[in-house]
Amino acid sequence: GIQVEQSPPDLILQEGANSTLRCNFSDSVNNLQWFHQNPWGQLINLFYIPSGTKQNGRLSATTVATERYSLLYISSSQTTDSGVYFCASGRGSYIPTFGRGTSLIVHP
Amino acid sequence: DTGVSQNPRHKITKRGQNVTFRCDPISEHNRLYWYRQTLGQGPEFLTYFQNEAQLEKSRLLSDRFSAERPKGSFSTLEIQRTEQGDSAMYLCASSLAGNFGNTIYFGEGSWLTVV
Repeated sequence: GIQVEQSPPDLILQEGANSTLRCNFSDSVNNLQWFHQNPWGQLINLFYIPSGTKQNGRLSATTVATERYSLLYISSSQTTDSGVYFCASGRGSYIPTFGRGTSLIVHP
Repeated sequence: DTGVSQNPRHKITKRGQNVTFRCDPISEHNRLYWYRQTLGQGPEFLTYFQNEAQLEKSRLLSDRFSAERPKGSFSTLEIQRTEQGDSAMYLCASSLAGNFGNTIYFGEGSWLTVV
């Protein structure tokens, strides 16, 4: 099956800093999502982005499917951005395979 | 759109007991997924349904686990003879499969502690 690797595993920022999270996947995919898992455990959908670039406020994501990676950009980070960010991908009938996540802590 | 609903949110049970979790997907979503997540790990796929048909099951889904989606709406996940290793968060998700982007939406999860 598809392998998903995320980096870095942990990230600590001061409020206001920018960051880039990376997701590599082992095979061609036609589905890719980024999620934020809040401290209560809920997975919040950030982007469905099998290719191209999308932006939503301070967050943006880019997927380069031909090179098998996706990036999540967080600008002007806030303490509420803290949590774990997951990338999940799949092909065909979409059964998301998740990476191990990037744990983000934003200090005030 | 009320989102994916799961209950109970928390369950503490003694080893050997049976537990059942319920998931109500987003209305009109034809796909429903179950995942399991343990501390420090990403969610792991258990099984999924398209309408009422269970189309795929992971090897993680031992014969003590059974999932149903009887009318293609809500789903239940039952764990029989629970073991301490079953302690985890069980996540349900739904999507509208087709040419709409396949975005998958998760519920808040059901935490299981087996003592």
